[in-house]
Amino acid sequence: GQNIDQPTEMTATEGAIVQINCTYQTSGFNGLFWYQQHAGEAPTFLSYNVLDGLEEKGRFSSFLSRSKGYSYLLLKELQMKDSASYLCAVRQTGANNLFFGTGTRLTVIP
Amino acid sequence: DAGVIQSPRHEVTEMGQEVTLRCKPISGHDYLFWYRQTMMRGLELLIYFNNNVPIDDSGMPEDRFSAKMPNASFSTLKIQPSEPRDSAVYFCASRLGTGGRDEQFFGPGTRLTVL
Repeated sequence: GQNIDQPTEMTATEGAIVQINCTYQTSGFNGLFWYQQHAGEAPTFLSYNVLDGLEEKGRFSSFLSRSKGYSYLLLKELQMKDSASYLCAVRQTGANNLFFGTGTRLTVIP
Repeated sequence: DAGVIQSPRHEVTEMGQEVTLRCKPISGHDYLFWYRQTMMRGLELLIYFNNNVPIDDSGMPEDRFSAKMPNASFSTLKIQPSEPRDSAVYFCASRLGTGGRDEQFFGPGTRLTVL
């Protein structure tokens, strides 16, 4: 089976840095994805990690520790448009589908 | 490319009626996924297809739900009869490839309300 834990909600200030954590349990790991979903819209791909370490893409970075079953998404220089839900998802070995967490709703305040 | 296309965008129906949701994947993509999203349960996979063949339908709630993919450019998700607990946003997603960082592209979703 699979299980993903993320905080339900977070609030951060415009211009600040926020870290959204994700812990997972899965039998056979083959990648971790982060998706962004604005209210009323579809999820869109943000990042992918399969090896331990940090992947950086502009203001967003994603970290993975496979031994700890842990990932985080780091958002720098927060902007109001970053207010959205952030979904952590894992793929099992040999699988083609993703298992999603329930998401973290981030609110950026002025 | 227009991206993944879903129709209708909104559907309001009465309990007991048949509902059909439609999806056109991105051209050339060989995987198609149907998801359901609710506040309580988040984004749940219902079924996915590879080259038009259903691979895993273990997420389909019950026999009232069925999905087909008659060709590479079209899929349907049918609920018959519909019930109020089926109210949710239904997303279709497609993907090219079999691994690595191949990302799924989501359609805009169909918001279904069953009264």
